[in-house]
Amino acid sequence: DIQMTQSPSSVSASVGDRVTITCRASQGISSWLAWYQQKPGKAPKLLIYAASSLQSGVPSRFSGSGSGTDFTLTISSLQPEDFATYYCQQANSFPPTFGPGTKVDIK
Amino acid sequence: EVQLLESGGGLVQPGGSLRLSCAASGFTFSSYAMSWVRQAPGKGLEWVSAISGSGGSTYYADSVKGRFTISRDNSKNTLYLQMNSLRAEDTAVYYCAKLYCSSTSCYGMDVWGQGTTVTVSS
Repeated sequence: DIQMTQSPSSVSASVGDRVTITCRASQGISSWLAWYQQKPGKAPKLLIYAASSLQSGVPSRFSGSGSGTDFTLTISSLQPEDFATYYCQQANSFPPTFGPGTKVDIK
Repeated sequence: EVQLLESGGGLVQPGGSLRLSCAASGFTFSSYAMSWVRQAPGKGLEWVSAISGSGGSTYYADSVKGRFTISRDNSKNTLYLQMNSLRAEDTAVYYCAKLYCSSTSCYGMDVWGQGTTVTVSS
């Protein structure tokens, strides 16, 4: 199975900050990577697919980049509604695997 | 509106069984592969199982293989997860999710239900 890691595990930031989260795959997955946002008690929400494609309805302050084994999710200007946990997921092969998550909280 | 609504969760003793359902609406259910993903209390997301649109292909995580069975009834727009021989470590919120796929590849899960809670305890 492909293992996914994320860093940092948590980040404290202020409204307006630029936040970058890194995801690494244990082997190359081309661009088969998705990013999700999850708020407490809620289901995950797809933000980014194919490493850099913005899901419909997702604000443009979210962006994704990378290919192969290293990927990033960037929030260009953090908004109050962005405080949540973010997960990456590889879609290259079964079983699909998730990273452990990065919690973004208020500084 | 595209929607998924899970049901069937509850408290069950170790070794017991439970059947989860996921009712879909707002899209052509039979055209899409579907998945179950779970989240143990305070933990991350774990993919459990997936099924093709026709139901002809199924996939399982090693942790549930041989104990869980995924199925679907396209006439009822409903996805199922039959869970047998339940263990304490199966305790989690179970989400159903629609796979976001092209004709050749899947990119992730674009629609999620609200989740149903399964607790395995004596």
